[in-house]
Amino acid sequence: GESVGLHLPTLSVQEGDNSIINCAYSNSASDYFIWYKQESGKGPQFIIDIRSNMDKRQGQRVTVLLNKTVKHLSLQIAATQPGDSAVYFCAENKEAGTALIFGKGTTLSVSS
Amino acid sequence: DAGITQSPRHKVTETGTPVTLRCHQTENHRYMYWYRQDPGHGLRLIHYSYGVKDTDKGEVSDGYSVSRSKTEDFLLTLESATSSQTSVYFCAIRTSGDTGELFFGEGSRLTVL
Repeated sequence: GESVGLHLPTLSVQEGDNSIINCAYSNSASDYFIWYKQESGKGPQFIIDIRSNMDKRQGQRVTVLLNKTVKHLSLQIAATQPGDSAVYFCAENKEAGTALIFGKGTTLSVSS
Repeated sequence: DAGITQSPRHKVTETGTPVTLRCHQTENHRYMYWYRQDPGHGLRLIHYSYGVKDTDKGEVSDGYSVSRSKTEDFLLTLESATSSQTSVYFCAIRTSGDTGELFFGEGSRLTVL
């Protein structure tokens, strides 16, 4: 699989590889985290979320890991497909009732 | 589909003109948000609303105002558009609770010449 350091704006992988996209969040009091996928010309689309009382959550082909000690969030995509090519954003919710605060995004490119 | 529509989807205007973008939802959700998206900045919050006539500023609110006179509509107004407000604007709604995922509209691309 392919992994990236923190905040890299782009990630290129081969079809079938595992992808890991990393994100650092800013507020240790944030209690909710979410990953979005945005395809060209469209609005962001929900992928998976996790609350601060968990350190791992799995969905279909995706896993989110939360490390509160270092305020780090990662999205793992198994068996990456060309349709996974998009920009991926992490977001945090700092307090109830307020808006999500987004990271700058990572562009994932999948080649066949 | 959370039932969000944005209008207009595309607009070109000149510096100094007023512009209003509309976000319409069909499901009576309490929280609505306006974000702008620019290369290298991701999504930044402009304003949000937590009920009719209840709004608050986000991190990039200067030059923008909002209104929410009824639950289903959240309007974003640029009183006097500037070239720095050229951007893609996204409306979002929160469908449950005080925290949780946002559903986004398809975006409104604004170009200020």
